[in-house]
Amino acid sequence: DAGVIQSPRHEVTEMGQEVTLRCKPISGHNSLFWYRQTMMRGLELLIYFNNNVPIDDSGMPEDRFSAKMPNASFSTLKIQPSEPRDSAVYFCASRRWRSSGNDEQFFGPGTRLTVL
Amino acid sequence: AQKVTQAQTEISVVEKEDVTLDCVYETRDTTYYLFWYKQPPSGELVFLIRRNSFDEQNEISGRYSWNFQKSTSSFNFTITASQVVDSAVYFCALSDNNAGNMLTFGGGTRLMVKP
Repeated sequence: DAGVIQSPRHEVTEMGQEVTLRCKPISGHNSLFWYRQTMMRGLELLIYFNNNVPIDDSGMPEDRFSAKMPNASFSTLKIQPSEPRDSAVYFCASRRWRSSGNDEQFFGPGTRLTVL
Repeated sequence: AQKVTQAQTEISVVEKEDVTLDCVYETRDTTYYLFWYKQPPSGELVFLIRRNSFDEQNEISGRYSWNFQKSTSSFNFTITASQVVDSAVYFCALSDNNAGNMLTFGGGTRLMVKP
């Protein structure tokens, strides 16, 4: 299996621009997670989906952030407009969700975002 | 609320030394899962182990071993005969049913193994 795929791997943009991060989960996984990692705050969960439905977006910092999962094999995280404090590594993770258990999450390689 | 604490922010050892990374967790749930992930300098997060709250058996995988003790709410990770390639940031994480099975990560422990 190819694992979780994220694109782009690196993104440098200017303040005010729209940024779209993309994720393809592992085939057969039905839960998808977006995390942000910074030195100051560590790993933070932004939002997660079960069966393409957003379950908890309480970690999304503000209205400038939005996430979609139009189908089981694709998700986007959009920041509009971007700000320098959004600079971080954004990880996507997927897992097979079962109500009776809790499989491990597998992470993508991350997207390093720099907002100038 | 669930919480994971990794009190050691940074550990430095010399190759071949044994090293233990501590992890203490808090949860109100009786059913929960504990995880360890490794983040090498390349940046990806690599899954190492999952343990559920009903299984307190220690686990060994090669040079890696894990000690789960519910009495002290700890899930410690030991690397035996450390190698330079073990240098990474290690994260302990918890998920429980009260939090919708979301992962809560500790702050991570940076391990540096010197030759």
